[in-house]
Amino acid sequence: GEDVEQSLFLSVREGDSSVINCTYTDSSSTYLYWYKQEPGAGLQLLTYIFSNMDMKQDQRLTVLLNKKDKHLSLRIADTQTGDSAIYFCAEHPGNNRLAFGKGNQVVVIP
Amino acid sequence: NAGVTQTPKFRVLKTGQSMTLLCAQDMNHEYMYWYRQDPGMGLRLIHYSVGEGTTAKGEVPDGYNVSRLKKQNFLLGLESAAPSQTSVYFCASKNGSPNSPLHFGNGTRLTVT
Repeated sequence: GEDVEQSLFLSVREGDSSVINCTYTDSSSTYLYWYKQEPGAGLQLLTYIFSNMDMKQDQRLTVLLNKKDKHLSLRIADTQTGDSAIYFCAEHPGNNRLAFGKGNQVVVIP
Repeated sequence: NAGVTQTPKFRVLKTGQSMTLLCAQDMNHEYMYWYRQDPGMGLRLIHYSVGEGTTAKGEVPDGYNVSRLKKQNFLLGLESAAPSQTSVYFCASKNGSPNSPLHFGNGTRLTVT
């Protein structure tokens, strides 16, 4: 089934790295996603990883996928105040729907 | 190109009143979705549509109805609002490619008193 778990809150100092973790249960998911939600706005796609990849790097973002443990992480290097947001992981098991985690709020302290 | 537009942005209803939330997308997307977002619950899928004239139930469909009469519009109706439906509602759309992302509207904040 689809059940995505995330921890809820992370505070980090500006310039440090942030790591957000997520676990999922549907091994048939072909794509896994990270979305960002800024205050008062909808979610925006940050990055995604295909299930046959272990890692994907996109500028300050690094996504790691451990398919054996069904664990997904997002690392943000050199965290900036504009990175303060709620981050959602989501899986796409191929049924035209995404299953979202509960979200992880990141607060960047100047 | 406006993307996904939701109206209204805010609404306060009394218990038992009805209302319709409108979602419009100008990207010619096939798939459209309605989610609700509640503290500590993340996003939960209410209903979705895989094409004009079709709708399907999501995780939490009770108390809501939807219609997709035109490809660009997806309407969410509350026939008799309840305080438990106080939430922020998000509409999203995507095209038919497997890895295509969801495009979200900015949400409708609904309070039912």
